[in-house]
Amino acid sequence: AQSVTQPDIHITVSEGASLELRCNYSYGATPYLFWYVQSPGQGLQLLLKYFSGDTLVQGIKGFEAEFKRSQSSFNLRKPSVHWSDAAEYFCAVVVVNFGNEKLTFGTGTRLTIIP
Amino acid sequence: DGGITQSPKYLFRKEGQNVTLSCEQNLNHDAMYWYRQDPGQGLRLIYYSQIVNDFQKGDIAEGYSVSREKKESFPLTVTSAQKNPTAFYLCASSDFREQETQYFGPGTRLLVL
Repeated sequence: AQSVTQPDIHITVSEGASLELRCNYSYGATPYLFWYVQSPGQGLQLLLKYFSGDTLVQGIKGFEAEFKRSQSSFNLRKPSVHWSDAAEYFCAVVVVNFGNEKLTFGTGTRLTIIP
Repeated sequence: DGGITQSPKYLFRKEGQNVTLSCEQNLNHDAMYWYRQDPGQGLRLIYYSQIVNDFQKGDIAEGYSVSREKKESFPLTVTSAQKNPTAFYLCASSDFREQETQYFGPGTRLLVL
């Protein structure tokens, strides 16, 4: 079964600094990969997704992620964070199964922004 | 304005009581999903439905029930058999042509009195 690991439970970054959130997956083939963001008490918003092709994908709010097959990783990056980026970030993987696609989520990384 | 709505935002359950969480979408999506979120555990799939009048159990279906009588609606009932119902419940939907990509509602927080 596929699994997703987000090794950092909590990260603190200064406003204006760069950000990288780590995500590793375990699956035999190349899965579909996603990053979602969740503000406190809210639902999840899709930031970006990778299915195939260019391994560097651009998302909303200035985020990007890079798929590295050799490392089974899909890390999320942003060159300069804003206070409004404070939230919880979830990496997720889908295994394509003929119409029964299921999302498997990591446990999330909480991002705190300090002035 | 298309999207997914969940109601209520907060719900309180007494011991032995069944409660129903509402999920409605006007995106014309075929598939709908229910997830449970607990602190530090990510999201876990409860039930999902690919088409009207059909649904499948997810990873933690025990103590829950669903129905899918209309394409736009997928209510979740938390039954008295669910011994630890306190959690944040999220509904999601996806389009048939892109089922891998799920879009989420704002969630319902269920608390036990």
